[in-house]
Amino acid sequence: EDQVTQSPEALRLQEGESSSLNCSYTVSGLRGLFWYRQDPGKGPEFLFTLYSAGEEKEKERLKATLTKKESFLHITAPKPEDSATYLCAVLPIKAAGNKLTFGGGTRVLVKP
Amino acid sequence: KAGVTQTPRYLIKTRGQQVTLSCSPISGHRSVSWYQQTPGQGLQFLFEYFSETQRNKGNFPGRFSGRQFSNSRSEMNVSTLELGDSALYLCASSWTTGKTNEKLFFGSGTQLSVL
Repeated sequence: EDQVTQSPEALRLQEGESSSLNCSYTVSGLRGLFWYRQDPGKGPEFLFTLYSAGEEKEKERLKATLTKKESFLHITAPKPEDSATYLCAVLPIKAAGNKLTFGGGTRVLVKP
Repeated sequence: KAGVTQTPRYLIKTRGQQVTLSCSPISGHRSVSWYQQTPGQGLQFLFEYFSETQRNKGNFPGRFSGRQFSNSRSEMNVSTLELGDSALYLCASSWTTGKTNEKLFFGSGTQLSVL
């Protein structure tokens, strides 16, 4: 069975204090790994898709990396507006369509 | 370009009732997926529709059903509501299905409370 585990569950950071979020996954063949951001009262917002080990993607203060067993979301010099829940999801090779398996998320709070 | 629209935003029902939720995808998007989000279970896949056909189904009981219309708008129905059905129901659309470079665009969800 496909599994996605995110750690930590919650993260409190001071503005400017860089950190990393972890997403460990177990899947029999990976088609894609996705990172989403979710603000309170809203649906998830797409950030990145990673397809193969060694791949990296960047967007502003966020950088996502992928290995064969896990992905990291690095937040560099975060600002209060980076406060959100970050969700990781996998799309297995055997899955048809857009059937994503999500992790439980990491709630990030950045204090000024 | 308008985003994914879900109605209603909030809903309160009692056990045993049934409920219908609506989702209008982004114009041109043909795939619509539904997810249930709860604090305990996180985001769980319900089903996906593409060109009015159900392409995928998650591990939910038959009380959960859906359909898609010719204009790609989708509805999901939950019959005989249980307390455990209280959740945020999210709809997501994409241009097509089965391609790894297709990102999902989510609506803001319908918050269902079952009393």
